[in-house]
Amino acid sequence: GAGVSQTPSNKVTEKGKYVELRCDPISGHTALYWYRQSLGQGPEFLIYFQGTGAADDSGLPNDRFFAVRPEGSVSTLKIQRTERGDSAVYLCASSLKPGTSGRGDEQYFGPGTRLTVT
Amino acid sequence: GQNIDQPTEMTATEGAIVQINCTYQTSGFNGLFWYQQHAGEAPTFLSYNVLDGLEEKGRFSSFLSRSKGYSYLLLKELQMKDSASYLCAVRGTDKLIFGTGTRLQVFP
Repeated sequence: GAGVSQTPSNKVTEKGKYVELRCDPISGHTALYWYRQSLGQGPEFLIYFQGTGAADDSGLPNDRFFAVRPEGSVSTLKIQRTERGDSAVYLCASSLKPGTSGRGDEQYFGPGTRLTVT
Repeated sequence: GQNIDQPTEMTATEGAIVQINCTYQTSGFNGLFWYQQHAGEAPTFLSYNVLDGLEEKGRFSSFLSRSKGYSYLLLKELQMKDSASYLCAVRGTDKLIFGTGTRLQVFP
């Protein structure tokens, strides 16, 4: 595939349940980002991976949120004990390693996963 | 602190020109991006500025003044398909910090 893909596209879950959201980045992109976007707002940074390691997880709101990228490609965002306030669109983006190109290493976004917690 | 401001909504007429402003205060600066986002879709890259001045790309241009913490996106010859949200984002070190976006509606 040419672009970033995310599954599922929609997820409805009950309060208190555990969910996993998957992101498949563009091949060759070592940097991977997770963002959360609420209605009428811009994307809010959650976590950034460079390769397999989380280089910056300062945006994760609390310890219910966790993300992994074990082989440096696919990433999974995991949310435990979901709350209604977690309802949002979760966007994944990938890019070349920052500083690689002179054009800003633009981030390419996936279509997002719309999470609804009832 | 980190703060990015842009107008919430704008309207314009097909064929016209519109300028969307963005002001920012961030703890670091490694470039400013503009993204377009249609309702229910992912943001798509429009432009990148890291040095002061104007970058032109077809009907879209973006301007940056680092000393003023200011950027604008200029859209010319507006088309109906330009109705979308336009997101201003600043890169500190690696992550992007986004504004709330400007929803542009183009009318015939």
